[in-house]
Amino acid sequence: DAKTTQPPSMDCAEGRAANLPCNHSTISGNEYVYWYRQIHSQGPQYIIHGLKNNETNEMASLIITEDRKSSTLILPHATLRDTAVYYCIASFSGSARQLTFGSGTQLTVLP
Amino acid sequence: EPEVTQTPSHQVTQMGQEVILRCVPISNHLYFYWYRQILGQKVEFLVSFYNNEISEKSEIFDDQFSVERPDGSNFTLKIRSTKLEDSAMYFCASSELIASGGVKLGSYNEQFFGPGTRLTVL
Repeated sequence: DAKTTQPPSMDCAEGRAANLPCNHSTISGNEYVYWYRQIHSQGPQYIIHGLKNNETNEMASLIITEDRKSSTLILPHATLRDTAVYYCIASFSGSARQLTFGSGTQLTVLP
Repeated sequence: EPEVTQTPSHQVTQMGQEVILRCVPISNHLYFYWYRQILGQKVEFLVSFYNNEISEKSEIFDDQFSVERPDGSNFTLKIRSTKLEDSAMYFCASSELIASGGVKLGSYNEQFFGPGTRLTVL
């Protein structure tokens, strides 16, 4: 699986959009980009994933650059409960694939 | 909403003792995983399990570890002889098999994690 690089920490004001970047310059053509988050030692929580196209669900939007070398997770209206470590993971979409978690980005939403 | 459950939430044991951590995956899921997270460190993959067999395992998953699906609902991780360095949070996860018209398409790695078991080895 391709290596991903994320900033170690970010702050965001409550109610504003949080934009979390991720670099995955060595990603291969059939590797997906997954985003998970972990709220204070709870189990990681799946957020969203994508291959080439931008994706949106009830939690977030995922913007993937055309060359697929980077992506941005957008939380449109961050709340205090969105404070968590966010992980960007590049992985093949096969069965029973392990997820390789890096250090992620600690997002702190400020009141 | 269906969720993965784990018991116990906290287990304290003496070094050298055997422990069994239990998980109940989401009922229609067919892939099961164990991960661990030592305090302050990354989440690390241990093992994945499908069709009553180990699919993948990491270097951490040595002979001291074993997994089992003893019945239709539980998925267990056994550590035979615990060491101090086994102290960690252990997370179980499950994912479903995406299929269409009888064709297996893959699980898309949307893994659902349980709340974890905090294992403390003294």
